[in-house]
Amino acid sequence: NAGVTQTPKFRVLKTGQSMTLLCAQDMNHEYMYWYRQDPGMGLRLIHYSVGEGTTAKGEVPDGYNVSRLKKQNFLLGLESAAPSQTSVYFCASSTSGLPYEQYFGPGTRLTVT
Amino acid sequence: GENVEQHPSTLSVQEGDSAVIKCTYSDSASNYFPWYKQELGKRPQLIIDIRSNVGEKKDQRIAVTLNKTAKHFSLHITETQPEDSAVYFCAASIPGNQFYFGTGTSLTVIP
Repeated sequence: NAGVTQTPKFRVLKTGQSMTLLCAQDMNHEYMYWYRQDPGMGLRLIHYSVGEGTTAKGEVPDGYNVSRLKKQNFLLGLESAAPSQTSVYFCASSTSGLPYEQYFGPGTRLTVT
Repeated sequence: GENVEQHPSTLSVQEGDSAVIKCTYSDSASNYFPWYKQELGKRPQLIIDIRSNVGEKKDQRIAVTLNKTAKHFSLHITETQPEDSAVYFCAASIPGNQFYFGTGTSLTVIP
């Protein structure tokens, strides 16, 4: 039981490049989330999904797109990376009912130069 | 949307003393309040949580209190140990499972 996994762990992009971050969970959770974590800012919700085939915007969605084609996977895409997207990205999953305990992945450290 | 404020941003305590971290929230619909501990370079891990219909919850040296009227909740760590040193985040969840996090408290326990 791996829990929540993320690939890649590290990535360096040049401005304007694109990439996709993959999140996978094996706990059969309905809900999945993408957060970014910046120093002094806590975790901010980018996008989330309440089930396969559904996605919704969070606090800071601009510059990102997501897809949830399979229940266990949640993809985060950057179409044209900008230095402001340099951050640590965490994926999480949770059940749909109380308690909404979130399980986090190990994170992806992204640097955009 | 929900706004969660967390204080203090840094906290130093002597080993064995207690530590208290406070959070306020703005949306009265929030119904679930977890606390996470994050060690350097690691993922956030849930340490305790409380639902909106409960006023207090305790788990060994850790306790959380919730005041719905005042819209604030607090984390209490007693008999602190050096391994308690980490960054702690509070969060509030509104119906629909959207989570809003505080900006974190860096706790240092001095041996």
